[in-house]
Amino acid sequence: QLQESGPGLVKPSETLSLTCTVSGGSVSGDNYYWAWIRQPPGKGLEWIATIYYSGSTYYNPSLKSRVTISIDTSKNQFSLKLTSATAADTAVYYCARRNINDSASRFDYWGQGTLVTVSS
Amino acid sequence: SYELTQPPSVSVSPGQTASVTCSGDNLGKKFTSWYQQRPGQSPLLIIYHDTKRPSGIPERFSGSNSGNTATLTIGGTQLMDEADYYCQAWDSSTAIFGGGTKLTVL
Repeated sequence: QLQESGPGLVKPSETLSLTCTVSGGSVSGDNYYWAWIRQPPGKGLEWIATIYYSGSTYYNPSLKSRVTISIDTSKNQFSLKLTSATAADTAVYYCARRNINDSASRFDYWGQGTLVTVSS
Repeated sequence: SYELTQPPSVSVSPGQTASVTCSGDNLGKKFTSWYQQRPGQSPLLIIYHDTKRPSGIPERFSGSNSGNTATLTIGGTQLMDEADYYCQAWDSSTAIFGGGTKLTVL
């Protein structure tokens, strides 16, 4: 299971911070990466970033300058920070597991999602 | 940047076959996944590696990928299949999602 947590309301220009707690498995598994994906209200899915337990990170080029993904293996959690938030960052934020078993990459487990609204 | 294009909507009658397409430059050379999202729910993986179904996904869901187009096919569509469907592929280590297709079963 994956569970997102963090503030549901962020002021413009501030930093959006979210944490995903993984239960029933370890974030340190060799065949798993951990990702953040968002969905603005009424719109489609947008991949934000992915991290491996070793610390290797991958970012959406359109967000890279504002996003940091990190992982805490001792807590079995990974986190997202998005700086200089604007109304355009209002979205449901999902954490997800990227499974690369059998050389077939896919997002096979998703959290329930958390709505973050950027507003004063 | 790489883009995936889906039709905004597809309609199908119950019991008929629905096809949802996903287009991208040389998409057939990449592996595609498909996700189903019902209103208010998280996306659910239904097809990966072009044609593989995760455990628990009904056999009526199938996928193909060739040339510039990947296709999700739902045979014997049921009312419960009404949902948004997203294709997804990898461009290097970047995950790309299509814009989504709303499947209406009527």
